[in-house]
Amino acid sequence: NAGVTQTPKFQVLKTGQSMTLQCAQDMNHNSMYWYRQDPGMGLRLIYYSASEGTTDKGEVPNGYNVSRLNKREFSLRLESAAPSQTSVYFCATGHLYLYNEQFFGPGTRLTVL
Amino acid sequence: SQQGEEDPQALSIQEGENATMNCSYKTSINNLQWYRQNSGRGLVHLILIRSNEREKHSGRLRVTLDTSKKSSSLLITASRAADTASYFCATSKPSNFGNEKLTFGTGTRLTIIP
Repeated sequence: NAGVTQTPKFQVLKTGQSMTLQCAQDMNHNSMYWYRQDPGMGLRLIYYSASEGTTDKGEVPNGYNVSRLNKREFSLRLESAAPSQTSVYFCATGHLYLYNEQFFGPGTRLTVL
Repeated sequence: SQQGEEDPQALSIQEGENATMNCSYKTSINNLQWYRQNSGRGLVHLILIRSNEREKHSGRLRVTLDTSKKSSSLLITASRAADTASYFCATSKPSNFGNEKLTFGTGTRLTIIP
């Protein structure tokens, strides 16, 4: 089992460009999450999907959109990238309505110039 | 805003010594979890303690929870070089549905000196 996979691993964008970060899981979890990690800030939740067909905003949703394509896949889209979105992005899965132990992907390192 | 605050921000100890790091939080919780992050990698779940538990062990890890003080501690005994990593606490708040989404602290950077 691959667990949680993310693509791409690295990306450099120019201000104003768009891109989609992909996340897929084979753990049969209901809930999926997108976080960003900045130095000294810990992880901050961008969006989450408690179950297939639902999405909700987290702590820092501005500038992002998400799609829960099916139970396995949860994508994060930057429509018009800004330098403030330079960060490391992590996808995670878990069971929101159980103990919510989460399993993380390896991350995508994004730089916006 | 961050629910959890780890203390200290950074810790360096000799291999074989014990490492203790603390987490404080602000509101009532359902459970508190600790995660490890090796440099350049995703987070890995270490241990979960429920709000009605006071202490939990897993291998060389010991976690305590004091809900009256809204604090938790993670003790790693007999540290090894491979324990070098950042450690994060994460809290899950009560809600009508069971557990709320996790809120992570800012982390403790642990360095084990061989």
